[in-house]
Amino acid sequence: DTAVSQTPKYLVTQMGNDKSIKCEQNLGHDTMYWYKQDSKKFLKIMFSYNNKELIINETVPNRFSPKSPDKAHLNLHINSLELGDSAVYFCASSQELAGGLYEQYFGPGTRLTVT
Amino acid sequence: QQPVQSPQAVILREGEDAVINCSSSKALYSVHWYRQKHGEAPVFLMILLKGGEQKGHDKISASFNEKKQQSSLYLTASQLSYSGTYFCGTDNSGNTPLVFGKGTRLSVIA
Repeated sequence: DTAVSQTPKYLVTQMGNDKSIKCEQNLGHDTMYWYKQDSKKFLKIMFSYNNKELIINETVPNRFSPKSPDKAHLNLHINSLELGDSAVYFCASSQELAGGLYEQYFGPGTRLTVT
Repeated sequence: QQPVQSPQAVILREGEDAVINCSSSKALYSVHWYRQKHGEAPVFLMILLKGGEQKGHDKISASFNEKKQQSSLYLTASQLSYSGTYFCGTDNSGNTPLVFGKGTRLSVIA
């Protein structure tokens, strides 16, 4: 079974459109994240959710909005898409273990292309 | 604060060793190492907690120098399968979103 899954894998759309990317994890983790990886491979945190509450909201445009219907899902909705939004978006999840250990599991990524 | 990785890229022949460094300007709680192959998601390698430790599995190991706020990843007797981009992710306070370095592209050739 896939631990962290994302849909769609590829998304091609035009500027100005609104789109959503879905993420689901079956690991029972408490925290989920969205990362953006640009063309230079830089992985940047966008959001994280812990127990359905947004705990960190990095300085991303408010056109991006995370939505978590339950602990296992964290979707990313993007309004008024721009060319600069083209990137690979990774969902991840983690669970803190004893002693401060934790490991983030990444989903397969969604390649968004805005034309 | 984004950690700084070095080198940016390295090419090895099979069997050679490599060291990838990760430095932070802030105190670190933990350092996470990931490997990402082209077109795939980052895959977890290992985590090191503050306290200065060394970990390893197979021929890949890492050390964490809390005082120097840096970590190093050691790849020995490299194999073709080691090729990919290695990222360090740093955490300053415990179970917070990782801040990743820009990555080190490792290419192992026959």
